[in-house]
Amino acid sequence: GNSVTQMEGPVTLSEEAFLTINCTYTATGYPSLFWYVQYPGEGLQLLLKATKADDKGSNKGFEATYRKETTSFHLEKGSVQVSDSAVYFCALSELAAGNKLTFGGGTRVLVKP
Amino acid sequence: DSGVTQTPKHLITATGQRVTLRCSPRSGDLSVYWYQQSLDQGLQFLIQYYNGEERAKGNILERFSAQQFPDLHSELNLSSLELGDSALYFCASSVEGLGNQPQHFGDGTRLSIL
Repeated sequence: GNSVTQMEGPVTLSEEAFLTINCTYTATGYPSLFWYVQYPGEGLQLLLKATKADDKGSNKGFEATYRKETTSFHLEKGSVQVSDSAVYFCALSELAAGNKLTFGGGTRVLVKP
Repeated sequence: DSGVTQTPKHLITATGQRVTLRCSPRSGDLSVYWYQQSLDQGLQFLIQYYNGEERAKGNILERFSAQQFPDLHSELNLSSLELGDSALYFCASSVEGLGNQPQHFGDGTRLSIL
């Protein structure tokens, strides 16, 4: 079945540092890929998405590129802020699997001033 | 604000009891999904409804059931509750339930079993 693996946290950074969170996936077909963010006490918010190979999703300074050859969708941000402290989830959905989201385990990011 | 409304926000009950969690999807969304978030299992898909019909089932226990009503709101019923059912339950919605459409999540219902 489908699966998503992302780096375990916590990841602790200083403000303005570069952030990268690795995400790799296993899927039988051609999934769509997503990054969701969960702030403390809140639900999941869609951060960005990519629906086909070589697509780049971007939002709020975050970027991720759908790499079919390496089955990866790594999240990057060039200069993080304290407000980026949250848990980040990589996820995929696939028509053949009923469109449900399959999530990675989540990566907690803590940005210190 | 995602536009997805879940009630109640918190629920505390005892083992053996039954509870109902409610979800109102975003205006215009026809598909509703339920997920469970727990420390040991992470985020797990439970069930999906599309326009009133069950479309997909995931790791949902037989003690759990759900339905989507004609006004498109959905309810998740959990019965014979066990300590291990303590978790955060999320509802999400999307326009048509297609894989390339993002799902929009509510703030969740935190269920605590004493």
